[in-house]
Amino acid sequence: KAGVTQTPRYLIKTRGQQVTLSCSPISGHRSVSWYQQTPGQGLQFLFEYFSETQRNKGNFPGRFSGRQFSNSRSEMNVSTLELGDSALYLCASSKGLAGNTGELFFGEGSRLTVL
Amino acid sequence: QQQVKQSPQSLIVQKGGISIINCAYENTAFDYFPWYQQFPGKGPALLIAIRPDVSEKKEGRFTISFNKSAKQFSLHIMDSQPGDSATYFCAASKASNTGKLIFGQGTTLQVKP
Repeated sequence: KAGVTQTPRYLIKTRGQQVTLSCSPISGHRSVSWYQQTPGQGLQFLFEYFSETQRNKGNFPGRFSGRQFSNSRSEMNVSTLELGDSALYLCASSKGLAGNTGELFFGEGSRLTVL
Repeated sequence: QQQVKQSPQSLIVQKGGISIINCAYENTAFDYFPWYQQFPGKGPALLIAIRPDVSEKKEGRFTISFNKSAKQFSLHIMDSQPGDSATYFCAASKASNTGKLIFGQGTTLQVKP
């Protein structure tokens, strides 16, 4: 069973640019969550999607956005990049509301560097 | 109200020893407490989780102890092995919303051979 796939794995952008990150969840998983991981702030929740609807949003500015498609794949976008956006962005999937054991399955992340 | 505080930040244990990591939470609405293990270059992976209706849960060498009144929970790794060297994160959420985890700051464990 394939795991959570995130693309791209590494990317470098400059301040002011925008970036789109992609996440393919485990087959059959309908819930996708996104987290930002930095050495200083640790793992912080960005947002969660279930059946194409945003269920929850963390305390991030509006420059951070996301969406989920009908096949449960998800994308997140960061506009007007700032140096502080440099981080590892992790996507996690779970079965969602039905049969939810609570376990999140994380991908290996997309490492974004903003210069 | 949303914080989860984790200690220690780093831990060095000899092979065969016991590793203990502690966490404290503030929000009494939390009712799902997982521990995740992360190796360098990998995403976190669920190690063990507990709900507040039990005070202890054991899976192999890993045990979670939960103290609801003190709003604290801890991870014990018995017979620690070099392969356990990783970063460990405690987390908390509402059981109805486990996609939104509030993580502790993490503990880097090094098990010396």
